[in-house]
Amino acid sequence: EVQLLESGGGLAQPGGSLRLSCAASGFIFSSYAMSWVRQAPGKGLEWVSIFTSSGGSTYYADSVKGRFTISRDNSKNTLYLQLNSLRAEDTAVYYCAKGGRRSGDFDYWGQGALVTVSS
Amino acid sequence: DIQMTQSPSSLSASVGDRVTITCRASQSINTYLNWYQQKPGKAPKLLIYAASTLQSGVPSRFSGSGSGTDFTLTITSLQREDFATYYCQQSYNAPFTFGPGTTVDIK
Repeated sequence: EVQLLESGGGLAQPGGSLRLSCAASGFIFSSYAMSWVRQAPGKGLEWVSIFTSSGGSTYYADSVKGRFTISRDNSKNTLYLQLNSLRAEDTAVYYCAKGGRRSGDFDYWGQGALVTVSS
Repeated sequence: DIQMTQSPSSLSASVGDRVTITCRASQSINTYLNWYQQKPGKAPKLLIYAASTLQSGVPSRFSGSGSGTDFTLTITSLQREDFATYYCQQSYNAPFTFGPGTTVDIK
């Protein structure tokens, strides 16, 4: 059974940093692209970043480029998202999602981690 | 970036109704279109990928169609557990944009 478990969410001050983790199990982690998707309170879904499986390429939404960094440790079956220079508009539930047939098909999702940016 | 739109933004329906939601991409995305269902406080769930392929375990009352820029999600005979918000999303290229969502609630 595929399981994705996010951790590391919490309260951060504007300009501060947080690191999210996503522990994966139930599939061959290294073989799949992994993404982060966020959802601000009461709003829709926004794709944030992807780390592909082959070649290890990374891509970011313009809204987070230069501030967030995605990484993965295939030996630990874990995906990370480093959030720096946080802004109030980064407040959201952050989901990690497994890539499917295509890297951008999100076939399994974690339960989400809430990040609140406030002074 | 590819922009995704959905209509309607919300609809009210009764159990047993047929429901259709449309999604439009700002440029052709072939059939690289996915549909997700999200219930309050829960993570999204993949329903359909590649425009018309049902994800494993999803009831057959859900179906998808379309290609290029115009797509539809149809729910035949709406069930109580189908009241939720539905999002389309393009997987043609990054950034993998989502539509704004369509909320289906009880009439």
